[in-house]
Amino acid sequence: KNEVEQSPQNLTAQEGEFITINCSYSVGISALHWLQQHPGGGIVSLFMLSSGKKKHGRLIATINIQEKHSSLHITASHPRDSAVYICAVSKSSGDKLTFGTGTRLAVRP
Amino acid sequence: GAVVSQHPSWVICKSGTSVKIECRSLDFQATTMFWYRQFPKQSLMLMATSNEGSKATYEQGVEKDKFLINHASLTLSTLTVTSAHPEDSSFYICSARDSTVHGYTFGSGTRLTVV
Repeated sequence: KNEVEQSPQNLTAQEGEFITINCSYSVGISALHWLQQHPGGGIVSLFMLSSGKKKHGRLIATINIQEKHSSLHITASHPRDSAVYICAVSKSSGDKLTFGTGTRLAVRP
Repeated sequence: GAVVSQHPSWVICKSGTSVKIECRSLDFQATTMFWYRQFPKQSLMLMATSNEGSKATYEQGVEKDKFLINHASLTLSTLTVTSAHPEDSSFYICSARDSTVHGYTFGSGTRLTVV
């Protein structure tokens, strides 16, 4: 069993819809990261969380340490949000990341 | 913000030749650089962790004599794929720990095709 599990694997949404991507992990962590990988391959760090909730623009990330679960929400989705969203955890500060398998999101106009 | 410049973005090489990929941290010191490989529609796989001034730590199954990693300075780490074969064709990407709120900065990746 993977240490980091994401769901769904694939997601298609209509422009404007509210989107939720889930991530569960089974190990002790220092921080959880949400990453966005564009079709060309480039990766952007969206959030690093160790507790609570963070918001940046239309993106919101939450984490529940007790339940070992995190969610990434996208409000008012747009076709430019189409990408692969990856959940990753670091077990200690500065440590290597352990990745989920990613969620491929397609937002249709 | 922190930026990691990776080049080349793509490279095509002949079997048996070597290819060097560079990652430079432009506005911060990258004590540690992580090198990943990614096959199409698969997750990132850590190949090795390089620390400035010391030998890289390779993940199980990664040949250290084939994938040479050098981290000679706090701003430059290189990955050399030696005697490349078609099965080495993949997307290679580096990442460095930074001091921003995001924690890690990724290079833009290198798509290697060995023919």
